[in-house]
Amino acid sequence: AQSVTQPDIHITVSEGASLELRCNYSYGATPYLFWYVQSPGQGLQLLLKYFSGDTLVQGIKGFEAEFKRSQSSFNLRKPSVHWSDAAEYFCAVGPPHSGYALNFGKGTSLLVTP
Amino acid sequence: DARVTQTPRDKVTEMGQEVTMRCQPILGHNTVFWYRQTMMQGLELLAYFRNRAPLDDSGMPKDRFSAEMPDATLATLKIQPSEPRDSAVYFCASGLPGTSGTGELFFGEGSRLTVL
Repeated sequence: AQSVTQPDIHITVSEGASLELRCNYSYGATPYLFWYVQSPGQGLQLLLKYFSGDTLVQGIKGFEAEFKRSQSSFNLRKPSVHWSDAAEYFCAVGPPHSGYALNFGKGTSLLVTP
Repeated sequence: DARVTQTPRDKVTEMGQEVTMRCQPILGHNTVFWYRQTMMQGLELLAYFRNRAPLDDSGMPKDRFSAEMPDATLATLKIQPSEPRDSAVYFCASGLPGTSGTGELFFGEGSRLTVL
């Protein structure tokens, strides 16, 4: 069965510092991989996605993620965090064809300090 | 700006009452999903539809929950009778599979349900 693990429940970083949020997945083949962000009281917004090809993908708001097949990981990074990045971040995995339900991790809550 | 629209945004009700949540998917999207979000369980898939037909509702408590798509522009999630443990934020999402689809889901802003 497919599963997604986000090992860090909470992360605190200083504004301007770099950020890496971890995501590991379990799946029989290479799935579609996603990162979503949720601001308080809001729905989920797609940051970026990986289907195939270049393993380093760029997303919105300056985020990027790297797919590492050998480690079954899809970690999210940002070189310099802004206070507005404080939010909940979800990694999700879906089967390698579109239109099917995504399986979400439990999320990582990001706090940005001045 | 296409988006998924959910109503109501907030609902407070008493145990035993019927609750209906509605969702208008993005025009042209033929796959609609219902997720429930709680602190303990995170995001759980309740049910989803393709071309208005239910594909999977195994995540939904069958005795009290029901999900339907009366037409392509409306999806409903009904709880009858509601219980305090149903308190959660319910999200609707839509997507477009096939050669023109990307697997990406577009989420509404959610319906926050509180059952007293």
